Amino acid sequence: QVQLQESGPGLVKPSETLSLTCTVSGYSISSGYYWAWIRQPPGKGLEWIGSIHHSGSAYYNPSLRSRLTISVDTSKNQFALKLSSVTAADTAVYYCVRDLGGGNHDYWGQGTLVTVSS
Amino acid sequence: QSVLTQPRSVSGSPGQSVTISCTGTSSDVGGYNHVSWYQQHPGTAPKLIIYDVSRRPSGVPDRFSGSKSGNAASLTISGLRAEDEADYYCCSQADRSLVFGGGTKLTVL
Repeated sequence: QVQLQESGPGLVKPSETLSLTCTVSGYSISSGYYWAWIRQPPGKGLEWIGSIHHSGSAYYNPSLRSRLTISVDTSKNQFALKLSSVTAADTAVYYCVRDLGGGNHDYWGQGTLVTVSS
Repeated sequence: QSVLTQPRSVSGSPGQSVTISCTGTSSDVGGYNHVSWYQQHPGTAPKLIIYDVSRRPSGVPDRFSGSKSGNAASLTISGLRAEDEADYYCCSQADRSLVFGGGTKLTVL
């Protein structure tokens, strides 16, 4: 059974960098597919952040690209998200997911709430 | 503001059918056969219920069906059940990106 688990600080100060890691179990990232981050502000809808292949090839939401880095560590079976210069608008539940391509996200982490506040 | 347009809410009685629309453009919904739908109950992660416009993942009841015409996609839920009450989101491939709809709250009366 594929499982994903997000980890990282739940509180980040404005202008700082939000960093999250997703640990995958039950499936080797090196075996294929893309791995993605999706977020959901409290009480609002879903927003795709970006996806990365195990080879390191990534594609990002154009609205976040200038602040965003997604990386993969196949030795740890993890992938990570870094979002710089955060503001209150970046407060959201962040989900890591397996991305089969074409928007097909079949496995999701439970989500982690990140609040941007001083 | 979401890229794809969904009705904010729909409702139906048990046993009835409801359809949720998802309207985009030729740059997303109309340009790709990669439209997916997600069901989200409060406090939980979304669940994939339709992918590639009309395909169902294993374990999803055939009461859920998807279709597409032009720049609009639809999710139909037949034989409504109380447990279908949830938020539903559409998602479409776009040019090297993915876009979501704003979500539709389904109320089972």
